[in-house]
Amino acid sequence: ETGVTQSPTHLIKTRGQQVTLRCSSQSGHNTVSWYQQALGQGPQFIFQYYREEENGRGNFPPRFSGLQFPNYSSELNVNALELDDSALYLCASSLDLGDTQYFGPGTRLTVL
Amino acid sequence: AQSVSQHNHHVILSEAASLELGCNYSYGGTVNLFWYVQYPGQHLQLLLKYFSGDPLVKGIKGFEAEFIKSKFSFNLRKPSVQWSDTAEYFCAVRTQAGTALIFGKGTTLSVSS
Repeated sequence: ETGVTQSPTHLIKTRGQQVTLRCSSQSGHNTVSWYQQALGQGPQFIFQYYREEENGRGNFPPRFSGLQFPNYSSELNVNALELDDSALYLCASSLDLGDTQYFGPGTRLTVL
Repeated sequence: AQSVSQHNHHVILSEAASLELGCNYSYGGTVNLFWYVQYPGQHLQLLLKYFSGDPLVKGIKGFEAEFIKSKFSFNLRKPSVQWSDTAEYFCAVRTQAGTALIFGKGTTLSVSS
């Protein structure tokens, strides 16, 4: 059984650019959540997708947006990148709403 | 807003010492509770979880945690740590109605052999 996978592993962007991060959920999982983990902090919830619909959002500005596809994979898009967006972005999938979330390895984004 | 507090930022132990990591949360209703671990160079992995039932839950690698509702706590314990337990440990809470996991800031555990 394949776990949660994320791409790319690392990414370097400059301020003002846009970025797309990708996540493939674990087989059979229909719910994907995205988190931002700044250095020395715990992960912070960005949003969750359930069966292709946004199902909850944390305290992040609208320039953070997402998508979930029919195969339940997901994308996180960030527009107008700021230096503070530098972080590890984690994707987690769960079998269904309210189930345990299993995390991928993350994408390390550096904004210069 | 709900929050999670992990009391120890960095814990240093010798092998075979006992471990207890504190976790308190602020939410008066029903919660699901989790401990995740991040070994060096690896991704977040689930150690154990509490949804309901017996408040003493056992996880992988000999870890256990006790949910004490009256104290809003979910402390992680291990009777005898090993060098391989060196990692960062995160406590997380989810309200039953909620979707988000709310994480503490994490505790770095360093075990010397």
